[in-house]
Amino acid sequence: DAKTTQPTSMDCAEGRAANLPCNHSTISGNEYVYWYRQIHSQGPQYIIHGLKNNETNEMASLIITEDRKSSTLILPHATLRDTAVYYCIGAISGSARQLTFGSGTQLTVLP
Amino acid sequence: DAGVIQSPRHEVTEMGQEVTLRCKPISGHDYLFWYRQTMMRGLELLIYFNNNVPIDDSGMPEDRFSAKMPNASFSTLKIQPSEPRDSAVYFCASSSERLEKLFFGSGTQLSVL
Repeated sequence: DAKTTQPTSMDCAEGRAANLPCNHSTISGNEYVYWYRQIHSQGPQYIIHGLKNNETNEMASLIITEDRKSSTLILPHATLRDTAVYYCIGAISGSARQLTFGSGTQLTVLP
Repeated sequence: DAGVIQSPRHEVTEMGQEVTLRCKPISGHDYLFWYRQTMMRGLELLIYFNNNVPIDDSGMPEDRFSAKMPNASFSTLKIQPSEPRDSAVYFCASSSERLEKLFFGSGTQLSVL
């Protein structure tokens, strides 16, 4: 898996967009960027993944730079329930089942 | 679907005792994973199965740990004998060949005194 770097923590005001950055400068051409989150005392939850095109689903948007060295996860309207640790992971498709989780970013949504 | 089901939710035991953690994957999933989470080491993959067969157990810390998957709907992770340093949250996850994501259970909080 590609090495990823994320800020340790971030705050966001409720109702505002939360933009979580991730650096993955060593990502290889066939590795996808996956995002999971872990709410306190729960198991990790899949959010979204992408290769090189921007992706959007009901939970979030994923913006990947053209050189694929970094990406941003966007939660468009953060709520208190979005407070969690967010993990950015680089992995080959198909081996996504063998994910290597780093330290992640603790996102705190403030009222 | 009820999702991945793990039991027990909490386990407190004394050093030297045998501990068995249980997992029921989502029906139809043919991959099953055991992870361990601690403050010091984060989330670590211990072992994973495909079609009930162990594929990679390189993350299993030592011989005290063993995992089995006797059928497609049940897996166990056993620690014998348990030690205080085994205290952690143990997660089970499942997936399928056609999926690009893991589904995690709620975990078992293990405390070894």
